[in-house]
Amino acid sequence: RKEVEQDPGPFNVPEGATVAFNCTYSNSASQSFFWYRQDCRKEPKLLMSVYSSGNEDGRFTAQLNRASQYISLLIRDSKLSDSATYLCVVNTGSARQLTFGSGTQLTVLP
Amino acid sequence: DVKVTQSSRYLVKRTGEKVFLECVQDMDHENMFWYRQDPGLGLRLIYFSYDVKMKEKGDIPEGYSVSREKKERFSLILESASTNQTSMYLCASSQREEGELFFGEGSRLTVL
Repeated sequence: RKEVEQDPGPFNVPEGATVAFNCTYSNSASQSFFWYRQDCRKEPKLLMSVYSSGNEDGRFTAQLNRASQYISLLIRDSKLSDSATYLCVVNTGSARQLTFGSGTQLTVLP
Repeated sequence: DVKVTQSSRYLVKRTGEKVFLECVQDMDHENMFWYRQDPGLGLRLIYFSYDVKMKEKGDIPEGYSVSREKKERFSLILESASTNQTSMYLCASSQREEGELFFGEGSRLTVL
């Protein structure tokens, strides 16, 4: 079993739709969680950190469920510019213990 | 604006050649990383450096070495390139252990 698993997609959604991705992790000692966004042929960039209480940034909401060991990303009112691959990242304690999921591909269609 | 610069965007090398990938960051970050990214496998850590001349092996260090002689520069070396090292190589830096990673644009290496 992979340490961090994501549905690779692709998720093809119309503009304005709400879409949600889940990411499961296997190490219960995981301490911090992130979502990164990677555009085609570009480098990953931090989208948002995921806090225990859940957090929201505009149209994006991230949640953590420690009991079931998953994190989620919800995107409301999808825009064409949201088309990208979303990487789930889990940290089990130090900088060298970051584990990346293989990413979920999202395409927002006009 | 933060910047991580990788020396080469695209390289084509032959099996057995020595390959240098260089990475420079202008943010005075302590931590620097080399990852490789392959379809379906995500990013995997090759080496990590937390200070000048300090390095730690990541998850897949075999076939690679690194050098960090100056704080801003972190080099990845493939002593004898092999076809299974064909990949996208991403350099990153961060200020804190759990801090945001800033990535370079990547170096796509093809080994023939």
